Amino acid sequence: GQSLEQPSEVTAVEGAIVQINCTYQTSGFYGLSWYQQHDGGAPTFLSYNGLDGLEETGRFSSFLSRSDSYGYLLLQELQMKDSASYFCAVRDSHSNYQLIWGAGTKLIIKP
Amino acid sequence: EPEVTQTPSHQVTQMGQEVILRCVPISNHLYFYWYRQILGQKVEFLVSFYNNEISEKSEIFDDQFSVERPDGSNFTLKIRSTKLEDSAMYFCASSETVAGGGTGELFFGEGSRLTVL
Repeated sequence: GQSLEQPSEVTAVEGAIVQINCTYQTSGFYGLSWYQQHDGGAPTFLSYNGLDGLEETGRFSSFLSRSDSYGYLLLQELQMKDSASYFCAVRDSHSNYQLIWGAGTKLIIKP
Repeated sequence: EPEVTQTPSHQVTQMGQEVILRCVPISNHLYFYWYRQILGQKVEFLVSFYNNEISEKSEIFDDQFSVERPDGSNFTLKIRSTKLEDSAMYFCASSETVAGGGTGELFFGEGSRLTVL
């Protein structure tokens, strides 16, 4: 079957660095995406990893290791506005490349 | 900047009533999706739509659900006879290519909150 595991909640301090891990199990892995969702808002795309390695976009980076079925989202220089839920999502070639979503990680940032 | 728009933002309905949620995807996008999110839970895929037909649907998308693209801009989700458990936020999304193509990027609307009493 298909499944994604990510921590339900992570707490960090403003200005710090935090890493949100995601492990997945899918028969037709085609890429790992990360989305941010503020309370009551729409999910917004953050990053995508189709190949192994690190992708960097400003303060956010995402990493993928296909051999370990593992990825993470790294957020640096945390700001209060980064308080949100972060979802990893896998594209599955055996499901017509649809996104299979994790349950989300609620990031709480303290001053 | 182009965006996906959804109406209504919030709808309250009685159990057993029909509901239609409307979406206007980004104009040059070819793939359209409906997702739902029960409060505090994960985003769940309902259905994808391409070339005027359903390309993929989940087990949630049973016979009480239907989608339609009645004209060149709107994309609708109809729930024929609502149940209490249909209460959720329903998100419409669109992409240029299947599941966002090379980057996997979907563009989401702000959602329609459905409350079934």
